[in-house]
Amino acid sequence: KAGVTQTPRYLIKTRGQQVTLSCSPISGHRSVSWYQQTPGQGLQFLFEYFSETQRNKGNFPGRFSGRQFSNSRSEMNVSTLELGDSALYLCASSPRGEETQYFGPGTRLLVL
Amino acid sequence: GENVEQHPSTLSVQEGDSAVIKCTYSDSASNYFPWYKQELGKRPQLIIDIRSNVGEKKDQRIAVTLNKTAKHFSLHITETQPEDSAVYFCAASIGPYNQGGKLIFGQGTELSVKP
Repeated sequence: KAGVTQTPRYLIKTRGQQVTLSCSPISGHRSVSWYQQTPGQGLQFLFEYFSETQRNKGNFPGRFSGRQFSNSRSEMNVSTLELGDSALYLCASSPRGEETQYFGPGTRLLVL
Repeated sequence: GENVEQHPSTLSVQEGDSAVIKCTYSDSASNYFPWYKQELGKRPQLIIDIRSNVGEKKDQRIAVTLNKTAKHFSLHITETQPEDSAVYFCAASIGPYNQGGKLIFGQGTELSVKP
């Protein structure tokens, strides 16, 4: 099976702009989780979607949002970008009912 | 609160030696504990995981032990090789997965294996 894919792989934005990142899970996986990875904070959970419903959310401001489509593909959006949003954004997919998560390659976002 | 502490933050060993990384979690309801390896510029890759009804699990040179009473779990790598050099992350599940459980990650251990 093909692995988790994410697009785009790299993004450069300026403060105040918004950005949308995309994640396609492994075929058959219905759960998609998003994580932010930074050198200082490590891997932090953003949110998790299953069957188009957000089931859990981490401690991030409302500027961070997401959604999941009927084909399980997921997008996350960050509005009003801040310098501190520069990070590697990783998504991970999981089969229904299992905790094992498989990560995508990530989208590296740089906010100037 | 939800927290996973991981030690050490850096670890340097000689090729052929063993490496041990330890993690402590705070949520007594956690029941799933994966370990990921992340090489520079690459995605985290699952290397081994353990569930709360098991005390130890082995896969070739890698083993994980879990002590639920003490709320800590450890990764053991034997006969280390230079290609084991990477950052290793432990994680613990928070909440039941069918209700949107999530993984809380440790801060990572940078392992360097010197030839």
